Amino acid sequence: NAGVMQNPRHLVRRRGQEARLRCSPMKGHSHVYWYRQLPEEGLKFMVYLQKENIIDESGMPKERFSAEFPKEGPSILRIQQVVRGDSAAYFCASSPNGGRTSSYEQYFGPGTRLTVT
Amino acid sequence: KQEVTQIPAALSVPEGENLVLNCSFTDSAIYNLQWFRQDPGKGLTSLLLIQSSQREQTSGRLNASLDKSSGRSTLYIAASQPGDSATYLCAAFARYSGAGSYQLTFGKGTKLSVIP
Repeated sequence: NAGVMQNPRHLVRRRGQEARLRCSPMKGHSHVYWYRQLPEEGLKFMVYLQKENIIDESGMPKERFSAEFPKEGPSILRIQQVVRGDSAAYFCASSPNGGRTSSYEQYFGPGTRLTVT
Repeated sequence: KQEVTQIPAALSVPEGENLVLNCSFTDSAIYNLQWFRQDPGKGLTSLLLIQSSQREQTSGRLNASLDKSSGRSTLYIAASQPGDSATYLCAAFARYSGAGSYQLTFGKGTKLSVIP
């Protein structure tokens, strides 16, 4: 069973371009989470999605950022008109359920490192 | 709002030493607490998960404890090795009142260097 997959692993964009980050959850997982890790910072929650639904986007910047998890295919985190401050590592995690138990666990992908020049 | 703090931010020890990493959290109503390892430029490797009803978990040379009432967790590494050099993150899983969902809240990590 393959783990959580993210691509690309590294992405370089010029200011003003669009960045698309993809995340394929583990097989059988229908819950996806996106986190951002700025340099020298911990991971910060951005958005929680189930298939075709955004459950919680309280950590997502209000502008330029969007996320989706279609019925078929990977989850996509999209950043429009990137700025230098968007340079960070973006991690995706998945789980089989929404987790209201103490054994709940998220499984993390290797991350996409976005550099904005 | 849950806040997770890790002390120290960085730690350097000689090989073979036992060491303790500290994690504190402000909201004790957590479901579990998890310790991760992150190598430079890499993803997260889950080390230990302690459920809210548990006091500790062990895996090899690693032992993690949880004291919910005081909002603290420690990660104990025995007989440290150069290969243990990495950043260690703790994360608390709890209900986030802002949107009603359940979230992992991470600390900034402790960067460990084990000197041969």
